[in-house]
Amino acid sequence: DTGVSQNPRHKITKRGQNVTFRCDPISEHNRLYWYRQTLGQGPEFLTYFQNEAQLEKSRLLSDRFSAERPKGSFSTLEIQRTEQGDSAMYLCASSLLRTTNEKLFFGSGTQLSVL
Amino acid sequence: AQKVTQAQTEISVVEKEDVTLDCVYETRDTTYYLFWYKQPPSGELVFLIRRNSFDEQNEISGRYSWNFQKSTSSFNFTITASQVVDSAVYFCALSEAGTGNTGKLIFGQGTTLQVKP
Repeated sequence: DTGVSQNPRHKITKRGQNVTFRCDPISEHNRLYWYRQTLGQGPEFLTYFQNEAQLEKSRLLSDRFSAERPKGSFSTLEIQRTEQGDSAMYLCASSLLRTTNEKLFFGSGTQLSVL
Repeated sequence: AQKVTQAQTEISVVEKEDVTLDCVYETRDTTYYLFWYKQPPSGELVFLIRRNSFDEQNEISGRYSWNFQKSTSSFNFTITASQVVDSAVYFCALSEAGTGNTGKLIFGQGTTLQVKP
């Protein structure tokens, strides 16, 4: 297993369209995270799953955003009715929570541009 | 409230120079974790180190070293004898045990390091 995989790497869409991103975590990792990073800023937490359960959502995650992790494996992040302010890098990370020594492994991200 | 501040936006050094990246954090939690990540142009965040709040020992890993000082709420990162391959954006991050979600990281704004040959 080579790490966290995200697809697509780049997505260009028109305002108002829906987009969906996919994240494949490292095998056996039970936690999966979504972060958003805008230009010149550090990543910001959006949401996370433990197995298939979505346990926390940030206030940054408006009603237009929805994330799923069916069967506790890959995850999808969908943005409906995209706005120009949604343009950002969307990063996925996974971890294996066994003790308190949790370490996140990040993917290369999906760069979204909303025109 | 929790916060991470990386006051240095950009640093430029010449190869073989030593460079220190500053990180100051704020938290009310007594148990917390501090991280450094490297983000090369490819975009992937690469884990460098994780420290918990009870372990103030400094750490050295090859050319990298970290200085954790609770008294000043700082967790600084030094690269010795910098190389061109060290050029990247470096992020300091904090997570709090009290949230029950130690993977919820609060990142600083990052420091862009450029190492010139």
